[in-house]
Amino acid sequence: QVQLQESGPGLVEPSGTLSLTCAVSGDSIISENRWSWVRQPPGKGLEWIGEIYHRGNTLYNPSLKSRVTISIDKSKNMFSLTLNSLTAADTAVYYCGGQSGWFVDYWGQGTLVTVSS
Amino acid sequence: QSALTQPASVSGSPGQSITISCTGTSSDIGRYKFVSWYQQHPGRVPKLIIYDVSERPSGDSNRFSGSKSGNTASLTISGLQAEDEADYYCSSYSSSRTYVFGSGTKVTVL
Repeated sequence: QVQLQESGPGLVEPSGTLSLTCAVSGDSIISENRWSWVRQPPGKGLEWIGEIYHRGNTLYNPSLKSRVTISIDKSKNMFSLTLNSLTAADTAVYYCGGQSGWFVDYWGQGTLVTVSS
Repeated sequence: QSALTQPASVSGSPGQSITISCTGTSSDIGRYKFVSWYQQHPGRVPKLIIYDVSERPSGDSNRFSGSKSGNTASLTISGLQAEDEADYYCSSYSSSRTYVFGSGTKVTVL
C-alpha cells in the first residue's frame, strides 16, 4: 500500500517561496506511477497544481506554471513542490498524490500552508 | 483552464438515488475517457471513488456508478446512506495535458 506524507512550513510570508516535500513509502519513486500536487483553499474546491514522472517529465497547471517547480529526489524516495511569489490566495491545504493512471488514487494527509506576515 | 461545472448542492432521502452532473468541454470530458470522481468528508482527505468514467476501485461500494455523454459526466449514488453526506468532485484530463477539477457538489442526506 502506497503511503504519502507531506512536510514543510505551515506559515510563509507574502512574496516568499513555499517548499514542500512528500515522502513516499510502499512504492519506489521510480515506479510507473506519476506523482502530483493538489491544493484546496479553505472552504473551497480542489485545484490541480502539477505532476512529475520518474524520468523527470513535468506537467503544470497553466495558471501556476510561471511560479511552480516539481522535482524528484530518487535517493530519498520523495518528491517536492516549490511555489514562489506567494500571495494570500496561495493559502491552502496542499496534498501530494500518487497516480497509477489518469487519476489520483493515493493521497497524503495534507498540510495547511498559510501565507501571512 | 476553467473548472468543470457541478451543481453546488444535491440532496436526497435515505434509500433514494441521486445524480451529480459534471459539465466540461470538447477539450476535456468530451475528448477523453479519463474522468474521475472523489468523495471528501469534512476535514478529511479526498477519496477516489470512480476512475476512467465508470470504473470503481477494487473493494469499493457498488452504490457509486459513473457515466459520460458528450461533454457531461455523471455520478450516481444509489441507495443513499447517511455516510454518503460529503462533498464530491469530478476531474478530467484535458487536451492541454493537464487536469481540471470540478467546482464541487455538496450532497445532503435528508
